[in-house]
Amino acid sequence: QQQVKQSPQSLIVQKGGISIINCAYENTAFDYFPWYQQFPGKGPALLIAIRPDVSEKKEGRFTISFNKSAKQFSLHIMDSQPGDSATYFCAANTGSNYKLTFGKGTLLTVNP
Amino acid sequence: DGGITQSPKYLFRKEGQNVTLSCEQNLNHDAMYWYRQDPGQGLRLIYYSQIVNDFQKGDIAEGYSVSREKKESFPLTVTSAQKNPTAFYLCASSASGATEAFFGQGTRLTVV
Repeated sequence: QQQVKQSPQSLIVQKGGISIINCAYENTAFDYFPWYQQFPGKGPALLIAIRPDVSEKKEGRFTISFNKSAKQFSLHIMDSQPGDSATYFCAANTGSNYKLTFGKGTLLTVNP
Repeated sequence: DGGITQSPKYLFRKEGQNVTLSCEQNLNHDAMYWYRQDPGQGLRLIYYSQIVNDFQKGDIAEGYSVSREKKESFPLTVTSAQKNPTAFYLCASSASGATEAFFGQGTRLTVV
């Protein structure tokens, strides 16, 4: 049973455009929702994270939107740049559990 | 520099041989994890350890074994019982009570 569903699987955006990646979860006990960025051949690195007590969190060009009632959260990348081309993973866990449950990832390509 | 070191970066083994992947961290983190990454599958948890001399199975532990004799080290052995061992393996760690996981650079294992 996949507890975090991520879409789309791949995304192509023009430079300067907005990239949007969506995730949906099933476990209502999840209370921490991070996004990780991974470049080819490298390990993932934390990009931005949110907790369900807020509906939006912004860090530079990256914004997480969170909809608790719909059990959905999304990553928006504004003014997308070729350097943003990477695989993005959403994830979730509970405060009492160290384990992160990951989505299957989105391969983002930003064309110059 | 603090971080997680995985070695080697690339590993080739013949089918039927056991192989051990190294993971060392100097972040003084209590928890450590092993994930397997396959194309289009996201990150799947193999084993995790919250404290020295203790570890738990993740979602895909069959064919793998681990040990946690030291806080800094969490080696993963891929045994001959693992039916499809060729993959990218990622080690991660997190501080006690924290949710952010820090990843190593990964080991790409190819079994021929």
